[in-house]
Amino acid sequence: GESVGLHLPTLSVQEGDNSIINCAYSNSASDYFIWYKQESGKGPQFIIDIRSNMDKRQGQRVTVLLNKTVKHLSLQIAATQPGDSAVYFCAENGGPRGGTASKLTFGTGTRLQVTL
Amino acid sequence: DVKVTQSSRYLVKRTGEKVFLECVQDMDHENMFWYRQDPGLGLRLIYFSYDVKMKEKGDIPEGYSVSREKKERFSLILESASTNQTSMYLCASSLWAAKNIQYFGAGTRLSVL
Repeated sequence: GESVGLHLPTLSVQEGDNSIINCAYSNSASDYFIWYKQESGKGPQFIIDIRSNMDKRQGQRVTVLLNKTVKHLSLQIAATQPGDSAVYFCAENGGPRGGTASKLTFGTGTRLQVTL
Repeated sequence: DVKVTQSSRYLVKRTGEKVFLECVQDMDHENMFWYRQDPGLGLRLIYFSYDVKMKEKGDIPEGYSVSREKKERFSLILESASTNQTSMYLCASSLWAAKNIQYFGAGTRLSVL
């Protein structure tokens, strides 16, 4: 079946460095790819999404890259801060445009640890 | 700010009990979702609803049912709790027009003994 998966379960970076979190997906028909951040004791929180017809999208300190050729998604965090420590999930939205509530299929998550 | 409130942070139930997990959102969102989160498995969708009294099965609906009698409230029901339903349960909501942005509650950690 279709799946969304992550390469690395834990990533440790020094404060101030850039972080790159990777994700492989298998459903090439998905409309959107999304990143969520989950801090300890909280529910996941939306960070950024990218439509399937785009290669790159930038937000505040974050950039998402989409490589459809190899079905790869990445989240880059610039100047990583202690507050970025969390579990990051990629997700895909393969729901019908204009249809009912679209399901998000989440990956298994990567833990980002920021060291001082 | 959008607020999604789950009625309990921690619950301990016995095998065979009927369990209700309640979720309320205050932003008039059309869509509501129930997930379970287990280590190494990420978030898996149990059920979702796009309107009052409407529901659709997610990826793992077996052993669960849901109820959405009012727009702001979405309940997850375990008819007869089993030990393999011990998990973290997360409720989320979203606008129909912004389906990628789901707002999550803090979760209910359910232990079935």
